[in-house]
Amino acid sequence: AQKVTQAQTEISVVEKEDVTLDCVYETRDTTYYLFWYKQPPSGELVFLIRRNSFDEQNEISGRYSWNFQKSTSSFNFTITASQVVDSAVYFCALSEELRGSQGNLIFGKGTKLSVKP
Amino acid sequence: EPEVTQTPSHQVTQMGQEVILRCVPISNHLYFYWYRQILGQKVEFLVSFYNNEISEKSEIFDDQFSVERPDGSNFTLKIRSTKLEDSAMYFCASSRGVSGANVLTFGAGSRLTVL
Repeated sequence: AQKVTQAQTEISVVEKEDVTLDCVYETRDTTYYLFWYKQPPSGELVFLIRRNSFDEQNEISGRYSWNFQKSTSSFNFTITASQVVDSAVYFCALSEELRGSQGNLIFGKGTKLSVKP
Repeated sequence: EPEVTQTPSHQVTQMGQEVILRCVPISNHLYFYWYRQILGQKVEFLVSFYNNEISEKSEIFDDQFSVERPDGSNFTLKIRSTKLEDSAMYFCASSRGVSGANVLTFGAGSRLTVL
C-alpha cells in the first residue's frame, strides 16, 4: 500500500531556530518520486522539491535542505535559521511511476509550522 | 511565472445545488487534475484528465462529479448535487508531461462551503 506519514502535526519554533519536518513513506514500487509542497496561509500549494528514488544525494537550496534515506524510507526537510515567512503547512507527497503517471500524488497530512518572532 | 488560475476563490451554496469550479491551466500543459482538501486534512486526488478524457479517478470522484474542458483554456469541475461533506478546498493542477516525475503546478484553490 502507498502511504505518506508526517507524524508531526504542528511545530512551533522561534525565529532563527533550525527545524526538521519528518516524512516517512511506504511504497512497493522501485521507481518513485518524493515531493515537498508548501501551503502558506493564503492557501495555494507551492512546489518546493522533487527527488527520484534512485538519487539519494541530499540537496540544499538556500536555507532549505532535504535528507532522503531509502534505508529508513524517509525524506526529511530541514529549514535552517527559520523566519516568520516560513510559517505554513508543509506537505510531503509520493508519486509512484505507474500511479503517478496519472497525476495521482499521495499526500501526507501535513505539518503546520509556526515561526514566532 | 506561469500560473494556474482558479475561480471562484470562495463559493457558498445550499445543499443540493449544482456548483461549477473553473480553472485555467498553464497554457502549454496538457494534463489537468483536480484535488480536494477537506479543512485541516490532507490533500486528496480526485481526477486526472488528458486529451479530453478522464485518465484516472479516485473513489471520491463518484457520479455526482464531472470534469470538462469546454474550450481551449478552461477546465471545469462540476458537482451536480452538493452535499455537506463536499465542503472543502478544491485545487486544480496541471503538468506538462505525464510520468511519476510530474511536477504538478497547483492553483490557489476554490473554497466550497455547502450549507
